[in-house]
Amino acid sequence: DAGVIQSPRHEVTEMGQEVTLRCKPISGHNSLFWYRQTMMRGLELLIYFNNNVPIDDSGMPEDRFSAKMPNASFSTLKIQPSEPRDSAVYFCASSTLAGIYEQYFGPGTRLTVT
Amino acid sequence: DQQVKQNSPSLSVQEGRISILNCDYTNSMFDYFLWYKKYPAEGPTFLISISSIKDKNEDGRFTVFLNKSAKHLSLHIVPSQPGDSAVYFCAARTLTADKLIFGTGTRLQVFP
Repeated sequence: DAGVIQSPRHEVTEMGQEVTLRCKPISGHNSLFWYRQTMMRGLELLIYFNNNVPIDDSGMPEDRFSAKMPNASFSTLKIQPSEPRDSAVYFCASSTLAGIYEQYFGPGTRLTVT
Repeated sequence: DQQVKQNSPSLSVQEGRISILNCDYTNSMFDYFLWYKKYPAEGPTFLISISSIKDKNEDGRFTVFLNKSAKHLSLHIVPSQPGDSAVYFCAARTLTADKLIFGTGTRLQVFP
């Protein structure tokens, strides 16, 4: 099993640019989570999907952030426009609905906005 | 407002000794708790969990203790090994929510 795949692994962009992070969950998993890791707040849940449907987006910090899951094998997290304070490591995780608390994380995307 | 708090950002322990990582929570509705381990440049991986109906769960060198009255849980690693050096995240969930609330993490360093 390839595990959760995230791309890119690193992204450096200038303030104001659009950033798109991508995630491919583990095949057969029907829950997908987007997290952001910062020193101050640890791992914050941004949004999660069950069966491709967004269930809770209360963690999305602002309207500049949006996420989609067009099918069971792909999700995107978009930031438009990006700001320096968005710099963080963004993780995608997936799980089965039954094992929803034992989530499998991808390697993360380190985003730097200058 | 952090509902799950890990007040020690770092911990250094000698190989072979016990490592104790602590976690406090504020939400009395939390009913399930987990620990995740994270190596550099990798995503967190699930380590061990405990239900609120228990006060202890053991898996090999790892034991998690839960004190509901104090809203406190701890992870004990004994004996500690250099490969245990990582960041450890505590997480919790409520019965009605499909999501985990994570702490800020504790960086454990095990030295020879």
